[in-house]
Formats: sequence, C-alpha cells, structure tokens
Amino acid sequence: KAGVTQTPRYLIKTRGQQVTLSCSPISGHRSVSWYQQTPGQGLQFLFEYFSETQRNKGNFPGRFSGRQFSNSRSEMNVSTLELGDSALYLCASSPVGKGYNEQFFGPGTRLTVL
Amino acid sequence: QKEVEQDPGPLSVPEGAIVSLNCTYSNSAFQYFMWYRQYSRKGPELLMYTYSSGNKEDGRFTAQVDKSSKYISLFIRDSQPSDSATYLCAMGLTGANSKLTFGKGITLSVRP
Repeated sequence: KAGVTQTPRYLIKTRGQQVTLSCSPISGHRSVSWYQQTPGQGLQFLFEYFSETQRNKGNFPGRFSGRQFSNSRSEMNVSTLELGDSALYLCASSPVGKGYNEQFFGPGTRLTVL
Repeated sequence: QKEVEQDPGPLSVPEGAIVSLNCTYSNSAFQYFMWYRQYSRKGPELLMYTYSSGNKEDGRFTAQVDKSSKYISLFIRDSQPSDSATYLCAMGLTGANSKLTFGKGITLSVRP
C-alpha cells in the first residue's frame, strides 16, 4: 500500500507570495491532518479535515487555510508569506474511527521563504 | 509553560549504550502517549504507542508512562548507529480528535 505523498517536496517563495501544498492520503484514509515543523517551535498542529470539512484547528493565523476534496486529497494554502513561515509542512492521514497508532505521516514539503 | 516539554539535546552516545529520553506534560487530559522517530528528510514514524500508565516493551525499545507524575520516557537498549535520528514524544486526547501535541524533539547520535 502506498504511503502518504506530499507535493512538492521543496519550495522556495518570497515574502508576500502565496503557496499551495498538496497531500494525498493512504488509500482508504479519510482524515488528513496538517502540521508545521520548525526548529524553534517543533511540530505544531495546523488543522484536520474529514469528509471535506475542517474538524479541528490549531492556533495559527487565518493566512493558513486548507481544504479537502471528495477523494480525501487535501491542500493547504498560506497567503501573504512571511519569513517565519519557512518550515517543514507535514500531513498525516488516518482511517475513520481509528486510534493515533494508525495515523501515518508523509515526508513533508520543505518551504523556504526569502 | 508549554503543554509538552522534552529534554533538550543533542544527545551523543557510544554504540551499545542505554538511552533514556524523557518528556513531561501539564495537561492531565492527555490519554494517549506516543514516541516518534524522524530521520533526516523524512516524516515522523510511530515507534511506540500506549494509553495506560506502566511499561510497554517492543524489542530494544521500552516506553514508560507515569500519569500521576505526568512523565513519559523512552528507553533504547543496545543502541545502534541506525538509531541516530530525532525522537519526538507526542500526546493525544480521547475521542475523534486526531490532533497530536508534540515535544520539540531531541536529536540522538549513536557513535560506532
């Protein structure tokens, strides 16, 4: 079974631009969560989508948004990029009604904001 | 105070050593406790998962949870160079909530 895939793997943007990252969950997984990982703050929860609806949200500004499609693929968007948005963005997928031990992470998208 | 605090690193040990990694937490509502391993340029992979106080062993790895002290540990016996990675503790609530709260992670280097 293929794992969680994220595209692109690396991205360089400049301040003020916007960016869209994509996550394809494991087949059959309907929940997708997004995390931001930085050296200073570690891994922080952004939001979770299930059945095309945002089910949970972390403490990030409104510049961070996401969506999920009917095939469970998810995208996250960051508008008006700031230098501090440079991070590894990870998504994780899990099946419905299963525990944390069935949540799997993708390899991440490394975003650099110049 | 952050909800989850993890001992800062980095940590360097010789091959064969016993490694002890620790996290404390402040939210008594956490019910699920996990340890993830993350290699460079990879996403975190689940190493240990438990939801009760006590010890859980899996090969060379033992996870320990003390809910009364709000303290969790990961022990690695007979450490190998292949164990060199960043280790993250994570905690979750009950219910349909998939949100995990992570420690900042500690980078472990096992010297041959």
